[in-house]
Amino acid sequence: GQQVMQIPQYQHVQEGEDFTTYCNSSTTLSNIQWYKQRPGGHPVFLIQLVKSGEVKKQKRLTFQFGEAKKNSSLHITATQTTDVGTYFCAGLVTNTGNQFYFGTGTSLTVIP
Amino acid sequence: NAGVTQTPKFQVLKTGQSMTLQCAQDMNHEYMSWYRQDPGMGLRLIHYSVGAGITDQGEVPNGYNVSRSTTEDFPLRLLSAAPSQTSVYFCASSYRGYSGANVLTFGAGSRLTVL
Repeated sequence: GQQVMQIPQYQHVQEGEDFTTYCNSSTTLSNIQWYKQRPGGHPVFLIQLVKSGEVKKQKRLTFQFGEAKKNSSLHITATQTTDVGTYFCAGLVTNTGNQFYFGTGTSLTVIP
Repeated sequence: NAGVTQTPKFQVLKTGQSMTLQCAQDMNHEYMSWYRQDPGMGLRLIHYSVGAGITDQGEVPNGYNVSRSTTEDFPLRLLSAAPSQTSVYFCASSYRGYSGANVLTFGAGSRLTVL
């Protein structure tokens, strides 16, 4: 079954509002990655988190990795229309070798 | 440097037909994988390979075969297509960095419809 769950599935925001997507795993993750897929495109790597409690920022994007390494979040401050797309987390599960389990994704729509 | 190249981009098959989705990368990546993307299901791993001659099953391997005779190529074969295999397929490769984690580079995708 799905090892990595992601919520919400869809999010509509007004331009300028903040946005957060959450990723939860039933098992401990070695690390977690985040990808963005523009409509009609392919997933593109954004960032990787490895350490427990790690927080990384990329301009308006803030990524967190939980203390127990079972959850993660992506927060976008003051969304712009260029943020439109689907955001996926991908967790590397410790006991499955090289398998990354992707979350179901959160589709973000930004209303101008 | 083309990255990850997938062909074809679009394909329509009839139930029972066979076909191969091609994937090639020119980055000398050791790890290659195939995912399928369906609405509400995210990306699910079909098969993966950690090097030439080595393949393993992912979450949803049934109905698909793979081989890895070279570092560059990782074709995905559908032996007898079924409507449930209608999906968008992504090939992804990675270089195993010093931390042991694989950052995936995806191809543009192949949209397959099985009638």
